[in-house]
Amino acid sequence: QQQVKQSPQSLIVQKGGIPIINCAYENTAFDYFPWYQQFPGKGPALLIAIRPDVSEKKEGRFTISFNKSAKQFSLHIMDSQPGDSATYFCAATSNSGGSNYKLTFGKGTLLTVNP
Amino acid sequence: NAGVTQTPKFQVLKTGQSMTLQCAQDMNHNSMYWYRQDPGMGLRLIYYSASEGTTDKGEVPNGYNVSRLNKREFSLRLESAAPSQTSVYFCASSVTSGSTFFGPGTRLTVL
Repeated sequence: QQQVKQSPQSLIVQKGGIPIINCAYENTAFDYFPWYQQFPGKGPALLIAIRPDVSEKKEGRFTISFNKSAKQFSLHIMDSQPGDSATYFCAATSNSGGSNYKLTFGKGTLLTVNP
Repeated sequence: NAGVTQTPKFQVLKTGQSMTLQCAQDMNHNSMYWYRQDPGMGLRLIYYSASEGTTDKGEVPNGYNVSRLNKREFSLRLESAAPSQTSVYFCASSVTSGSTFFGPGTRLTVL
């Protein structure tokens, strides 16, 4: 049973466009929702994260929108650049005690930003 | 500050061989994890260690064992490798805020 569903699988935009990646979760116990960026041959890197007490969080050109009632959250990349071309993963977790966070990942979105 | 480091970077095994993947973090994090990444599957949790001296199973633990050697090091062992264990393995560690940091990965092929 997939607990975090991510769409689309792939996305192509032109430079300056605003790609949007969507995720939906099922487990209402989840209370921390990070996004990761992964370049080929590298490990995932934490991009931005949100907790359900806010509906939006912005860091630079990256924005997370969160809809608790719909159990959905999305990543928006403003003024996208070719260097943003990467695979993006959403994830969800809840604290299991101390600093223990077992992440449940979506299947990823391959973003291509054309010059 | 190297963050999370993993060795080896690449490995090819024959079916039935054993090996240990090594992971270390220098961020003084209590919790550490092993994930595997397969095409189109995202990352899936194999085992985790909430704190030094404890380990527990994740979503896909079969065929693996782990050892939390000390606060810094968390190793993953394949006792008898199978082709289904061909994957990219990532070690990670986390802080109390939830931020989780990943290593560069080990690319394993089992023939």
